[in-house]
Parts: sequence; structure tokens; C-alpha cells
Amino acid sequence: ETGVTQSPTHLIKTRGQQVTLRCSSQSGHNTVSWYQQALGQGPQFIFQYYREEENGRGNFPPRFSGLQFPNYSSELNVNALELDDSALYLCASSLDSGITDTQYFGPGTRLTVL
Amino acid sequence: AQSVAQPEDQVNVAEGNPLTVKCTYSVSGNPYLFWYVQYPNRGLQFLLKYITGDNLVKGSYGFEAEFNKSQTSFHLKKPSALVSDSALYFCAVRDRGRGSTLGRLYFGRGTQLTVWP
Repeated sequence: ETGVTQSPTHLIKTRGQQVTLRCSSQSGHNTVSWYQQALGQGPQFIFQYYREEENGRGNFPPRFSGLQFPNYSSELNVNALELDDSALYLCASSLDSGITDTQYFGPGTRLTVL
Repeated sequence: AQSVAQPEDQVNVAEGNPLTVKCTYSVSGNPYLFWYVQYPNRGLQFLLKYITGDNLVKGSYGFEAEFNKSQTSFHLKKPSALVSDSALYFCAVRDRGRGSTLGRLYFGRGTQLTVWP
């Protein structure tokens, strides 16, 4: 196990609702990245937080937003949920934001939008 | 832009036989390459990475990967497969661009490995 935890494990929402997913990074890690993994696909990068600042963003609309807290845990917020938001959401922590730093993944949150 | 391709959706191998899961990449500049494994209803587990140096990289659980710059490949290998190796394997490349994309991983679509007894 990596020491990266995510909550909740599963979540069911309806279209238009808002959701918050949580991630606790591995001890000593200051960088958290979020990915969306749709069924049958590889993970797609949403954004990264480094020392409480957004440090990079993928091709996701602004209704996907995040936070990182002083203890380096992180939240992913999704507003106005759409059916296509149904996916496994993965967070990954790394020691630093450097390009060679390994990202260690949590178990994921399975979001179903009805 | 960075990208990886995993040309095989599925690989089937008998226990005890060697296994290879293929990955090719497209990057600008020197590549930073990773392999992850995903078991059902689990997150991704890091197996190994290539940053620089020896083209043969050794990782967790007896896996290794061979970096081939001329063929732009980074194939995952194991000399003797186990039934417990059955899982979904992802190859990924790190973005080396500037600004907002630095640090992101680009993943392939994954290869389902099945090892039968």
C-alpha cells in the first residue's frame, strides 16, 4: 500500500449536483495530482497541486476545481455534474513536483452520475 | 505533445512462461517513462521507471523494462509469469514541457494481462 488514502470509496450523484472528493497524501509528500479514469481508458490528468498552489491543469472545464491544505491533503470539487463525469477518480502524491518524482496513487473514488 | 501507445489490449500467457507487455512512446526530448499495474477495484501501483542510465530497469515483483531509444519503446517484461500477475498494466510518460503541463503523466489505454495456470 502507498499510504495515499481517498474518501469516499464510492459515490452516487445525480446530474447537476456537486461533489467533493478527498485525498490524503503520503507522509512527507507535498504534491498531489488528480486523474480521471473512465471505464476502459487510461487515467487523464485533471490538475496538480504543489504546496497549496495549482501547479498544472489538464483539459478539464472550470467546474472541476481543487484545493490543497497546509497538511498537503487535497480536495477535488466537481460542480454541475454530467453523466460523462462517471469515472474512477484517482489522486497521486509525490515527494515533490519534480519531473523525475514518482507519483504514488490512492485506491480511487468511484463516482456514478445518474 | 507526449503520448504513449500500448498496441495490445490483451496479453495471455501460461504460468511459468516469460511475458512481455509492449509500450511505444512519442516525446520531445529525453523521455521519462513509467509502468503501473492496476488490480480490480484498486488504484495504480508503481512498478518501475526509466529516467536515465542503464536501458534495463528493474522494478517491483520481478518485473523489468527495456528502454530502446531507436525504437521508441519501453516494453515490460518478466522471465516467469505468475497467476497473481494477472492485472491491467499501464505505461506512462512524463510531460517535460513548460508551464501548466509540467509534471503530468500521459497514460496509455492499458493492457490486460491474463496468466493462466
